Amino acid sequence: DAKTTQPPSMDCAEGRAANLPCNHSTISGNEYVYWYRQIHSQGPQYIIHGLKNNETNEMASLIITEDRKSSTLILPHATLRDTAVYYCIAIGSGGSNYKLTFGKGTLLTVNP
Amino acid sequence: DAEITQSPRHKITETGRQVTLACHQTWNHNNMFWYRQDLGHGLRLIHYSYGVQDTNKGEVSDGYSVSRSNTEDLPLTLESAASSQTSVYFCASSASGVYEQFFGPGTRLTVL
Repeated sequence: DAKTTQPPSMDCAEGRAANLPCNHSTISGNEYVYWYRQIHSQGPQYIIHGLKNNETNEMASLIITEDRKSSTLILPHATLRDTAVYYCIAIGSGGSNYKLTFGKGTLLTVNP
Repeated sequence: DAEITQSPRHKITETGRQVTLACHQTWNHNNMFWYRQDLGHGLRLIHYSYGVQDTNKGEVSDGYSVSRSNTEDLPLTLESAASSQTSVYFCASSASGVYEQFFGPGTRLTVL
C-alpha cells in the first residue's frame, strides 16, 4: 500500500469548509484513497473513498488530483463535532488483503 | 440495526493473568480485525480474520491470540498480560471484498 503524508494538525472555524490534504505520490493505479476519522475516545469511522473521480456523500467530498498523487477531503460546513483525527489511507483493490494501516493522521480542531 | 459491540468496555487486570476481550458483530461480515491504540503510535493491527477458522497475525501480534469459531465473534486473548499491553483495543469488521471497516466502541485495558 502506498505511503500517505498528512499535516499533523489543522484549525477551522465553525461553519466554514475544512479542507484536509493528503499526499500519496507513490499510489499505484489500483489503489483507492480512503478517509476515516476518529473522534476522541471513539472508534474510527469511515467517511468516504475514491479511485479517480471526485466523490461526494452526506458527510464529505473527496477531490483527487488528475495524477492521483494527492487528494483533499472537504467538510463543507464544519461543526464542533467534526473535531477529530482524520486518516487518509491508500490501499489496493483485489486479493484478500483487506487490512488497513493507519498513520498519524491530521488532528482537525473546529473552533467556535 | 446491525452493530459491533465490545466487552468489557473497561478492564483492570494484573500482570500474568489471562484476559479475553470480546467482539461481536451482527453485520454478518466475514472480515474481522483487532487493533490497539497507544499515544504516539496510532492504530496498530494485532490479528485479523477473513472467515470462520481463519486467523492471521498483524504487526503487533506477540502475546495475543484469536480464534474464529463463528462469523459473529472474534475474541482476543492475552495469554499472560503484561504492563506493555495497557492500551485501548478496537475491534472492526468489514464485508468480503471491501475496505470499509466498522469499528466497535473500544475496550480500555489496564494491566497493573
